[in-house]
Amino acid sequence: AQSVTQLDSHVSVSEGTPVLLRCNYSSSYSPSLFWYVQHPNKGLQLLLKYTSAATLVKGINGFEAEFKKSETSFHLTKPSAHMSDAAEYFCVVSPGNQFYFGTGTSLTVIP
Amino acid sequence: GAVVSQHPSRVICKSGTSVKIECRSLDFQATTMFWYRQFPKQSLMLMATSNEGSKATYEQGVEKDKFLINHASLTLSTLTVTSAHPEDSSFYICSARDLRQAEETQYFGPGTRLLVL
Repeated sequence: AQSVTQLDSHVSVSEGTPVLLRCNYSSSYSPSLFWYVQHPNKGLQLLLKYTSAATLVKGINGFEAEFKKSETSFHLTKPSAHMSDAAEYFCVVSPGNQFYFGTGTSLTVIP
Repeated sequence: GAVVSQHPSRVICKSGTSVKIECRSLDFQATTMFWYRQFPKQSLMLMATSNEGSKATYEQGVEKDKFLINHASLTLSTLTVTSAHPEDSSFYICSARDLRQAEETQYFGPGTRLLVL
C-alpha cells in the first residue's frame, strides 16, 4: 500500500530563515517522489522529483529535498525563505502509474 | 516545455446545466491525462484517468455518467459535468504525462473553478 504523510499542516517562517517541510511515505515498491507547489487558485507546479538517481535532489527556486530510504522520508528544504514562497506544498509518491498526494503543508512567510 | 492549459479558468452555471472543461497539453503529447477535484483547503482527489482512444478509468465513488470524460486526441481531454448541482462546485484540475518520458511526472493545468448556483 502507498501513502504519504505530511507531518505539518501549517508552517510559518520569517523571511530569510530556513524552510523545512516534512514528508514521510510508505510504499510497497521503490517509488518516485515529488514535491509540488500550489499558489492560491492556481494549478500545481513541479518543484523537484526523485526517480532513483541522486538522493539529494535540487529543484527550482532554491528548493531541495533528500531521499532517505532508511527513514522513508523526503523532506523539502530551502536555506532562505522569500515572501513569494508562501503557498501550499504537496508531497507526492508514485510507485508506478498513479500519484498519491499528501494532505499538504501551508507555508506562511512573515516579513 | 510541458505546459498544460485548461479552459475555462472559471465558470458559473445554473443548476441542471452541463459544463465542459477542456484540458490541453500544449507542447507535448499525452496518452494519459488525469482529472482531479480539490475542495477548499484540501488535497487533490483523483477522479479518473483518461486514456487516449479508450474509456476512462474512474476512481471508486465517482459517477461516470455524471462526469463524462473524453480523450479524443493526444493533446486534448475533456471533462463534462452533466446536470450540475451546487455540490459539484469545486476546483477541477487536470494533469498530463508526457508520452516521451518513461517516468511518472505529471504536469498540471491551472485549474477550473466551477460554481453551480
